[in-house]
Amino acid sequence: DGGITQSPKYLFRKEGQNVTLSCEQNLNHDAMYWYRQDPGQGLRLIYYSQIVNDFQKGDIAEGYSVSREKKESFPLTVTSAQKNPTAFYLCASSMSGEETQYFGPGTRLLVL
Amino acid sequence: GNSVTQMEGPVTLSEEAFLTINCTYTATGYPSLFWYVQYPGEGLQLLLKATKADDKGSNKGFEATYRKETTSFHLEKGSVQVSDSAVYFCALSNAGGTSYGKLTFGQGTILTVHP
Repeated sequence: DGGITQSPKYLFRKEGQNVTLSCEQNLNHDAMYWYRQDPGQGLRLIYYSQIVNDFQKGDIAEGYSVSREKKESFPLTVTSAQKNPTAFYLCASSMSGEETQYFGPGTRLLVL
Repeated sequence: GNSVTQMEGPVTLSEEAFLTINCTYTATGYPSLFWYVQYPGEGLQLLLKATKADDKGSNKGFEATYRKETTSFHLEKGSVQVSDSAVYFCALSNAGGTSYGKLTFGQGTILTVHP
């Protein structure tokens, strides 16, 4: 079954700690995206990548970093510089030239 | 820039009632429009889409028509079920230029359907 997997489902971060959220897709999609969801605010774009080894900042990239070493994988690191990291994080992917994005099940990040 | 505005929620309906969730947008050019649905604790699923003016997207009894003259893409369903309880997001994609592939979302509308 093709799809997008995100892990873990829940993640806890301590003060000053960096944490990495995993996103893997086996849809052979070229583009991948990371969104942050806060209650009542919809989804906001953090980073996106159209091809391997290339990525661009979205609307709220500060305090986050990404890498795209493989087509299937687009991990997101929430750094200690992100002062309000508690949110639901969603990864998505799309085919090159297609506007429809397909979403993973999400990771909920909580601060201890 | 691009923006999407959805009607304020939450919306509470009885089973078999008629549903409308309003969505209006601001964008340059000719965006594609989407409705996504999010069930509790899950990611987003594409519900329907329309790529040009006067197109009607439909799926699972839901419909929305791309109205360029009113910059709207309202979601409707004739008879809702308890299983339709979810959060609904309107979104647009403005292909071309530097915004290619990016989705702009509305704030989401919570729908609760009671038996």
